[in-house]
Amino acid sequence: GQSLEQPSEVTAVEGAIVQINCTYQTSGFYGLSWYQQHDGGAPTFLSYNALDGLEETGRFSSFLSRSDSYGYLLLQELQMKDSASYFCAVRDTRGSTLGRLYFGRGTQLTVWP
Amino acid sequence: NAGVTQTPKFRVLKTGQSMTLLCAQDMNHEYMYWYRQDPGMGLRLIHYSVGEGTTAKGEVPDGYNVSRLKKQNFLLGLESAAPSQTSVYFCASSFSRNTGELFFGEGSRLTVL
Repeated sequence: GQSLEQPSEVTAVEGAIVQINCTYQTSGFYGLSWYQQHDGGAPTFLSYNALDGLEETGRFSSFLSRSDSYGYLLLQELQMKDSASYFCAVRDTRGSTLGRLYFGRGTQLTVWP
Repeated sequence: NAGVTQTPKFRVLKTGQSMTLLCAQDMNHEYMYWYRQDPGMGLRLIHYSVGEGTTAKGEVPDGYNVSRLKKQNFLLGLESAAPSQTSVYFCASSFSRNTGELFFGEGSRLTVL
């Protein structure tokens, strides 16, 4: 089966840097994605790592270590609007379940002024 | 640019009633998914489709049926609604299985009394 572990809550102040970790156990692994969700609205895609290393997109960066089954999302120069839930997700690559995308339970980030 | 559209956005049912949620995407995506989101549980995959005329079970398929008669539409049916199916349902689509990016609809909030 698949399991993804991420912290349930993280808090930080404006301007700070925060890291949200995700560890996973999957039978097949293709890549690690990150999504943001505000107040129960539509989740929106942030980043995707298929290879080891760091991917940077503006204030957000995502890291993957396939050998450690671990990744993280790094948010820099935090703003109040970054307060949201953040989900990691992995895609199953096994033949019988090809195409499934599994999500973690989400990390609620609260940014304080 | 409609993207992924879900209807209805809100619905209240009585136990035992049936209903269908409609998801429509205008991006010519092959893959479509139905997730449910409950507090503290993240997004759980109900059913998904890898192309027109094909469907497959996800993590929590019991009590639901789906159909993909047209490439752009993915229907989720509840034959006999139960209070345990009170949830927010999200539809998503992706271009292929090799991507970590899903495009989500705004969600359908279902309450079963």
